[in-house]
Amino acid sequence: QSVLTQPPSASGTPGQRVTISCSGSSSNIGSNYVYWYQQLPGTAPKLLIYKNNQRPSGVPDRFSGSKSGTSASLAISGLQSEDEADYYCAAWDDSLTEGVFGGGTQLTVL
Amino acid sequence: QVQLVESGGGVVQPGGSLRLSCAASGFTFSSYGMHWVRQAPGKGLEWVAFIRYDGSNKYYADSVKGRFTVSRDNSKNTLYLQVNTLRPEDTAVYYCAKDRGQLMNFDYWGQGTLVTVSS
Repeated sequence: QSVLTQPPSASGTPGQRVTISCSGSSSNIGSNYVYWYQQLPGTAPKLLIYKNNQRPSGVPDRFSGSKSGTSASLAISGLQSEDEADYYCAAWDDSLTEGVFGGGTQLTVL
Repeated sequence: QVQLVESGGGVVQPGGSLRLSCAASGFTFSSYGMHWVRQAPGKGLEWVAFIRYDGSNKYYADSVKGRFTVSRDNSKNTLYLQVNTLRPEDTAVYYCAKDRGQLMNFDYWGQGTLVTVSS
């Protein structure tokens, strides 16, 4: 059972907009930055969003992040087939003094 | 360019030990915190450990506390994870990741090294 809660799966058709939610608590999302990682099959994770809503250079602006209270979300607009991957949210937990990840969301592009 | 290369994984019996290494290049290793993150086969990511840039502060996941030890040698640009008293549930790909200045903000990851705990 992950400390951060994500839906196990999401799907959309090319061109559509999808959102992935990440729910936590006051000790993690509520008091720290949220990060999003994309993991393509058989590869290491890649930073997608940092500090809640910032994109590293090279990440398309189709990807956006937001945070409100103890929840965060990742939005992908103009869905493309290459977006099919696993997506993880992450944050530091001040109470546990540990890093925590969501369980991951497998995105399927139909 | 930044490179992180893990090594040291393998097959080990329950109760055994291994030392994982992560060789870093392409950045000033001694200026950044480093983490270990693992992923069991077919499962999600699990944060394992963090070490501050100068080694002065370390944090561990509760699941590995007392069994795993993170360390670094800044003169060799290398991060280590000593894993002791291994259990079958420790079977995973172990990634090292470079901190971007904030905890859980990983801008570079290695390719991972597989640890299999099995009799």
